[in-house]
Amino acid sequence: LAKTTQPISMDSYEGQEVNITCSHNNIATNDYITWYQQFPSQGPRFIIQGYKTKVTNEVASLFIPADRKSSTLSLPRVSLSDTAVYYCLVGDRPAGRRALTFGSGTRLQVQP
Amino acid sequence: DGGITQSPKYLFRKEGQNVTLSCEQNLNHDAMYWYRQDPGQGLRLIYYSQIVNDFQKGDIAEGYSVSREKKESFPLTVTSAQKNPTAFYLCASSIDPAGTQYFGPGTRLTVT
Repeated sequence: LAKTTQPISMDSYEGQEVNITCSHNNIATNDYITWYQQFPSQGPRFIIQGYKTKVTNEVASLFIPADRKSSTLSLPRVSLSDTAVYYCLVGDRPAGRRALTFGSGTRLQVQP
Repeated sequence: DGGITQSPKYLFRKEGQNVTLSCEQNLNHDAMYWYRQDPGQGLRLIYYSQIVNDFQKGDIAEGYSVSREKKESFPLTVTSAQKNPTAFYLCASSIDPAGTQYFGPGTRLTVT
């Protein structure tokens, strides 16, 4: 499975747009990119998934450049409730035949 | 309500005792997974099952055992052989081994 690198932590303020970038230099042709959100003492929650270009849903957008060696999760107008850990995962279509490999994630802190 | 349930939310045991964590899903998913999460860390895969009566070791299976006798149930036993059993345990399921994984609320196990 491709290894991913994310910032350990980020800070933001309510109402701002937050962009979290994930590097995955060894991504394979069949790999999808998936993002999860986790609140303390809860299970991770699926946010968004994509293969290339841009994907948008009601929660977030995912930008993937042509070389697919990185991806950016964009959270528009964050609120205090977006304070959580965000995980970027890369695996074989769409979430890995075997199982997911989670890194340490990015801890997002949203201030009022 | 459809979903994944884990019980209990908190569990306390004395060292040397085996303990079984429950995971049930009514999503009609074929695949189920157990992960362990330590403070400030990502998730690590313990065991996974792609179909009833089949399961495979994950990255940290030593000291754990599972069974998959029914599609909706995937209990995890933490044995006395597990050296550091205190952790947050998460169960997940997916419609098939390549599908998006959905997580339960987790069980926090404390062994003293």
